[in-house]
Amino acid sequence: SQQGEEDPQALSIQEGENATMNCSYKTSINNLQWYRQNSGRGLVHLILIRSNEREKHSGRLRVTLDTSKKSSSLLITASRAADTASYFCATDGETSGSRLTFGEGTQLTVNP
Amino acid sequence: SQTIHQWPATLVQPVGSPLSLECTVEGTSNPNLYWYRQAAGRGLQLLFYSVGIGQISSEVPQNLSASRPQDRQFILSSKKLLLSDSGFYLCAWSRQLLYGYTFGSGTRLTVV
Repeated sequence: SQQGEEDPQALSIQEGENATMNCSYKTSINNLQWYRQNSGRGLVHLILIRSNEREKHSGRLRVTLDTSKKSSSLLITASRAADTASYFCATDGETSGSRLTFGEGTQLTVNP
Repeated sequence: SQTIHQWPATLVQPVGSPLSLECTVEGTSNPNLYWYRQAAGRGLQLLFYSVGIGQISSEVPQNLSASRPQDRQFILSSKKLLLSDSGFYLCAWSRQLLYGYTFGSGTRLTVV
């Protein structure tokens, strides 16, 4: 079953605006990670948040985690055209073993 | 530093032909290795993962197989390709899930 599900599926904003993407999951997790994928390329790890953390920052990225709602959000502040990409959340849970389960992703377009 | 190589970048194969995609990791030992497939505009589907030489776990029954003949080599194969095998194939490695995955650049496979 699909563990992570992002919304919206697609988001289009103007440069300088903030972009917020959400991820929901179904089962208990150890960690939740966010990845970025430029068109036709591999995914790049952005940030990880542990299940006992509520918020984490890295540069212009801010990730929150609400384990009671089984949801996470990724905020990109002051977006740039170069932020245009697909963003995926991925979870590893207590029964995941050594593997991550990815969501369907949010396609972010930042218009210059 | 660790690097991951995946090739070829693109591949067009006729239905019924064999397939061999190779992925190698450098700069680390005993990595966890993964093969994912991504349909256009969609999330990642885990196909196989391996925690050691000769140890392969299959996630989805399909027309594909995987092998790990050496510690840092992971091969995805098929004896006879189907049209439905078309997609974007991604190899990844990890040391621990806590540090996330590092992905290769992907192979775009088109079965015609």
